[in-house]
Amino acid sequence: DIQMTQSPSSLSASVGDRVSITCQASQDIADYLNWYQQKPGKAPKLLIYGSSTLETGVPSRYSGRGSGTEFTFTISSLQPEDIATYYCQQCDNVPFTFGGGTKVELK
Amino acid sequence: QVTLRESGPALVKPTQTLKLTCTLSGFSLTTDGMCVTWIRQPPGKALEWLALMDWEDHKYYNTSLRTRLTVSEDTSKNQVVLTMTNMDPADTGTYYCARVIAVAGTRYYYNGIDVWGQGTTVTVSS
Repeated sequence: DIQMTQSPSSLSASVGDRVSITCQASQDIADYLNWYQQKPGKAPKLLIYGSSTLETGVPSRYSGRGSGTEFTFTISSLQPEDIATYYCQQCDNVPFTFGGGTKVELK
Repeated sequence: QVTLRESGPALVKPTQTLKLTCTLSGFSLTTDGMCVTWIRQPPGKALEWLALMDWEDHKYYNTSLRTRLTVSEDTSKNQVVLTMTNMDPADTGTYYCARVIAVAGTRYYYNGIDVWGQGTTVTVSS
């Protein structure tokens, strides 16, 4: 199975800060990497698929990049509504696997 | 509008079998490219992928849980059922069903998990 290592596990930032999360795959997954946002008590929401494509309706302050084994998710200017846990997920092949999550908090 | 809704028991006893139903609306698993996947989340922990069933009735399972999992479809009801045997307190958590679309290329490629059910909470306790 492909292992997904996500870092950091948590971070604290101020409104307006640029925030980045990394995800490393244990083998080459091309650009088959998705990012999700999960708020407490809610189902995850797809933000980015194919490493860098924004899902319809998702704010442009979110972005993703990377290919192969190294991926980065960025929030260009953190907003209060961005407080959540973020997960990466590989969909190169089944079994799908998720990263361990990054909890983003306000400083 | 595409929706999925999970249903099933909120409480099961250790060693029992869990049966969860996912009712689909706005799409059908008989349509090319459509897949339904199951994911769970223990309290305070990360998401864990469980299983996927596609439009051609192919089924895929979490490697470490495959001996306990079965996914099936009730086409007439537009429902997908997940069965997990020998439940343990460690299986306590929220269980989600969700849609994935596979796109044809040199092989089929999966898109993101784009529509999720609200989740159903399962507690395993005697």
